[in-house]
Amino acid sequence: EVVMTQSPATLSVSPGERATLSCRASQSVSSNLAWYQQKPGQAPRLLIYGASTRATGIPGRFSGSGSGTEFTLTISSLQSEDFAIYYCQQYNNWPPITFGQGTRLEIK
Amino acid sequence: EVQLLESGGGLVQPGGSLRLSCAASGFTFTNSAMSWVRQAPGKGLEWVSGISGSGGSTYYADSVKGRLTISRDNSKNTLYLQMSSLRAEDTAVYYCAKGVTGIGTRGGIMDVWGQGTTVTVSS
Repeated sequence: EVVMTQSPATLSVSPGERATLSCRASQSVSSNLAWYQQKPGQAPRLLIYGASTRATGIPGRFSGSGSGTEFTLTISSLQSEDFAIYYCQQYNNWPPITFGQGTRLEIK
Repeated sequence: EVQLLESGGGLVQPGGSLRLSCAASGFTFTNSAMSWVRQAPGKGLEWVSGISGSGGSTYYADSVKGRLTISRDNSKNTLYLQMSSLRAEDTAVYYCAKGVTGIGTRGGIMDVWGQGTTVTVSS
């Protein structure tokens, strides 16, 4: 099973600033990596797949990068609606599909 | 509009059974692998089970193998999760999610999610 590890657990950033979230896989997942956003009381929403492709309707301020075992989600200029929990997920070697434990992005 | 609507959650005693349903609309159901993902209270996301678009292949997390059974009725555009021998640690919100393709690696990209249904296992 591929273990996904996200860092940091919590990130405090001011609106308008850049946020950088990290995700590491215990073995290579190629570019088969997705990012999801989840707000309280809501279902997760797909942001990025293929490590760097934005899903339909996702604003350009969200970008993903990386391949192999190291990945990054960058939000270029934080808006109030971006404060949420973010999960990375690998789908290279499934089953099982595995998620990171999440990074909580909070307002500084 | 692409939509997934879960139902069937509730309170069940340890050792009991429950069947969850997920009604799909707005897309060609047979073209999409489907998954169940759960989230225990205050915890992260855990993939539980998946099924190919045809229903011919099914997959399970080790934590639920032998106790949960995924299935689909493509004539009714509905996904199911039969849950038995339930434990307290199965308490969670259960989401159904649509895969981008019917099979293969990209079937694990979950581009549409339902709103979730809550399962509570307690005496």
